[in-house]
Amino acid sequence: TQLLEQSPQFLSIQEGENLTVYCNSSSVFSSLQWYRQEPGEGPVLLVTVVTGGEVKKLKRLTFQFGDARKDSSLHITAAQTGDTGLYLCAGEETSGSRLTFGEGTQLTVNP
Amino acid sequence: NAGVMQNPRHLVRRRGQEARLRCSPMKGHSHVYWYRQLPEEGLKFMVYLQKENIIDESGMPKERFSAEFPKEGPSILRIQQVVRGDSAAYFCASSPLAGGAYNEQFFGPGTRLTVL
Repeated sequence: TQLLEQSPQFLSIQEGENLTVYCNSSSVFSSLQWYRQEPGEGPVLLVTVVTGGEVKKLKRLTFQFGDARKDSSLHITAAQTGDTGLYLCAGEETSGSRLTFGEGTQLTVNP
Repeated sequence: NAGVMQNPRHLVRRRGQEARLRCSPMKGHSHVYWYRQLPEEGLKFMVYLQKENIIDESGMPKERFSAEFPKEGPSILRIQQVVRGDSAAYFCASSPLAGGAYNEQFFGPGTRLTVL
């Protein structure tokens, strides 16, 4: 089973600051997906990255897939209080279709 | 286009009872996945099904747990003789296809099971 290490586990910042969340593995993934989960709800898909070195932007969020497809990062610019939530990375294993999830990063953006 | 639907949203069972969790995938999706999120833990894969077939059940506990995705109707995750350790949020996800370039999975709101 492939493992994904996500860091940091908790992050508390002020509105307007920038932040980066990291997702690392020693294994290769065929794709990597980022989700956001609110309390009491299911994960909501933000983006899927597929190609090594790929960069995708979603408004103030920038997602990058490592060249070797073993790691990924999520960068948020000028964080807003509405960005508060649990961010999850999930990798699709090359050998099948299950997703392996990181432990999540609980982001709190303070006004 | 309705998203993935799960019911019930909350389920309370006493130890020894059975729990049935239902999942209706997004329209056009024929692949269903079940994940479990234990308190203070991440999401863990349980089982992957296509219509009338279990494709990968390597994440399912060996006893008391079963899953099905019949030709008609929702996918069912069944837990027999529940114990307190089964208390968790159970999420269903669906995708339109598997393999190929990548596999995007869309999640339902989850069923929160509490075993008294």
